[in-house]
Amino acid sequence: KAGVTQTPRYLIKTRGQQVTLSCSPISGHRSVSWYQQTPGQGLQFLFEYFSETQRNKGNFPGRFSGRQFSNSRSEMNVSTLELGDSALYLCASSLDTLGGNTIYFGEGSWLTVV
Amino acid sequence: AQSVAQPEDQVNVAEGNPLTVKCTYSVSGNPYLFWYVQYPNRGLQFLLKYITGDNLVKGSYGFEAEFNKSQTSFHLKKPSALVSDSALYFCAVGPGAAGNKLTFGGGTRVLVKP
Repeated sequence: KAGVTQTPRYLIKTRGQQVTLSCSPISGHRSVSWYQQTPGQGLQFLFEYFSETQRNKGNFPGRFSGRQFSNSRSEMNVSTLELGDSALYLCASSLDTLGGNTIYFGEGSWLTVV
Repeated sequence: AQSVAQPEDQVNVAEGNPLTVKCTYSVSGNPYLFWYVQYPNRGLQFLLKYITGDNLVKGSYGFEAEFNKSQTSFHLKKPSALVSDSALYFCAVGPGAAGNKLTFGGGTRVLVKP
């Protein structure tokens, strides 16, 4: 069974640009969450989607957005990139939104903003 | 609000010796607790979780964790460490109710010396 797949794995963007990251969850998983990992702030929750609806949102500015498609695949978008957005962005999937499900992570997308 | 603390930034242990990585948590209601491991330039790999039941949870690669409600701790243990266990370990707490938002500790780097 394939794991959580994230694309692209590495990308470099310029300040002011926007970026879209993609995530395909484990087959059968309907909940997708996104996290940002930086050396200074650690792992921080961005948002969670289930059945194409945002169920929960972390404390990030509106430049960070996401969506989920009917096949459970998800994308996140960051507009007007800032240097501080350089991070590893991790996607995670779970069966549903019931608490206690095992949450599996992808390999992440490394974003560098120059 | 939920929170997780990993009091040690780094743990050094000799190969073959027992390994313990500490984690304490704060959460309203019953906690859902997780341990993940991250190897360099990789995503998070699930090790084990505590939902309810037996306080000793067994997970992947010989790891186990002990849930202690009175001390609000969930320490990760391995009886005999391997050099290949050298990695970054994260403790996380999930909401007691529905949802998959994880709150992570700051991480503990484990270095196993031959």
